Amino acid sequence: DTGVSQDPRHKITKRGQNVTFRCDPISEHNRLYWYRQTLGQGPEFLTYFQNEAQLEKSRLLSDRFSAERPKGSFSTLEIQRTEQGDSAMYLCASSLGTPKDSPLHFGNGTRLTVT
Amino acid sequence: GDSVTQMEGPVTLSEEAFLTINCTYTATGYPSLFWYVQYPGEGLQLLLKATKADDKGSNKGFEATYRKETTSFHLEKGSVQVSDSAVYFCALEDSGAGSYQLTFGKGTKLSVIP
Repeated sequence: DTGVSQDPRHKITKRGQNVTFRCDPISEHNRLYWYRQTLGQGPEFLTYFQNEAQLEKSRLLSDRFSAERPKGSFSTLEIQRTEQGDSAMYLCASSLGTPKDSPLHFGNGTRLTVT
Repeated sequence: GDSVTQMEGPVTLSEEAFLTINCTYTATGYPSLFWYVQYPGEGLQLLLKATKADDKGSNKGFEATYRKETTSFHLEKGSVQVSDSAVYFCALEDSGAGSYQLTFGKGTKLSVIP
């Protein structure tokens, strides 16, 4: 169990640029979640996958955000035309089942700064 | 919508002091409740959970009881240690409302001094 891995750890980009983050979950975990956390706030849900199917998306997830999990393994989160308000820590988590039945294992996050 | 309110931090305690971090929730369904903890330099991890009213979750000396009548899930520990210094997040899952996302509170930073 190597844990949930996120890449990169930090990303600085200029407003209007596109960015992509990667998450590698724990290998046998079929559920994968993306959360966003800003300073002084708790994590806010963005989306989750069960295997390769994206089953739930938050209304926080605007059209500029897209997430994929093409083979039910790693996942990518892309933000197009970044805005300063997108600056946050993006967290990935994985689990074997629903949160009630199986704990979420979080990665250390990707910190995005939009200048 | 669902929401979680937890006491503002930061909280600073001396070693062996009693800890309470208050958490109340609003949910449309009948949620499961959680405490997650983030130690410095690490990802969030589950500390304890309770899935129905009057259940008590416990782990590492921490306890929390699911109180439906007061919509609360307060975290307690009788004697904190320096190693308990971390940020604590209360959270809920309202799967009865058809959602499997966790809704988190803002977090409470605990510092324990020797």
